[in-house]
Amino acid sequence: GAVVSQHPSRVICKSGTSVKIECRSLDFQATTMFWYRQFPKKSLMLMATSNEGSKATYEQGVEKDKFLINHASLTLSTLTVTSAHPEDSSFYICSATTENTEAFFGQGTRLTVV
Amino acid sequence: QKEVEQDPGPLSVPEGAIVSLNCTYSNSAFQYFMWYRQYSRKGPELLMYTYSSGNKEDGRFTAQVDKSSKYISLFIRDSQPSDSATYLCAMSLAGGANSKLTFGKGITLSVRP
Repeated sequence: GAVVSQHPSRVICKSGTSVKIECRSLDFQATTMFWYRQFPKKSLMLMATSNEGSKATYEQGVEKDKFLINHASLTLSTLTVTSAHPEDSSFYICSATTENTEAFFGQGTRLTVV
Repeated sequence: QKEVEQDPGPLSVPEGAIVSLNCTYSNSAFQYFMWYRQYSRKGPELLMYTYSSGNKEDGRFTAQVDKSSKYISLFIRDSQPSDSATYLCAMSLAGGANSKLTFGKGITLSVRP
């Protein structure tokens, strides 16, 4: 299957700082990328959908000013957690898809805010 | 009622057993049904992808979809210790770029040698 690379795989940051997570589709051009959050022993919760060159669509309850999403090219989307707090600690996962394929997932990023 | 319900388990079986994993859903508009495998601290890996009702087989894995009952299943034959992981069902209204997925909670499977 197609490869989606997510970086970093793990990050620890201080409370109040911002963290950027990258999601790249390595061997295909992703028209749409999705960002999920997963709590321990819980399902993946969709945070937002981003299409290349346009603003992201956020799910209800997700703060767009806190979770900034940029999808500047067909192979790269970024999620920036701004002014992170301990409650933002979680496993963040991106997925990428094209018009005709299923979604392929990145390896995930474990964010710990101390 | 949640849109997608999945028995949270965990499930432990001996090597070689047949494993049956199931999900039910409430939204009859779902058209695409997927099973993902997720190892600890990794992203989900797509196992099976089916459209509408029917069966699909891939090696030791068989996916079944019964839209009339709003019920999907994943069968694993001759289970191996390497199958130990969390299995998530997911479904969507459309495929491809419109594939906004709704996930079940996942069930953790352990295959004992």
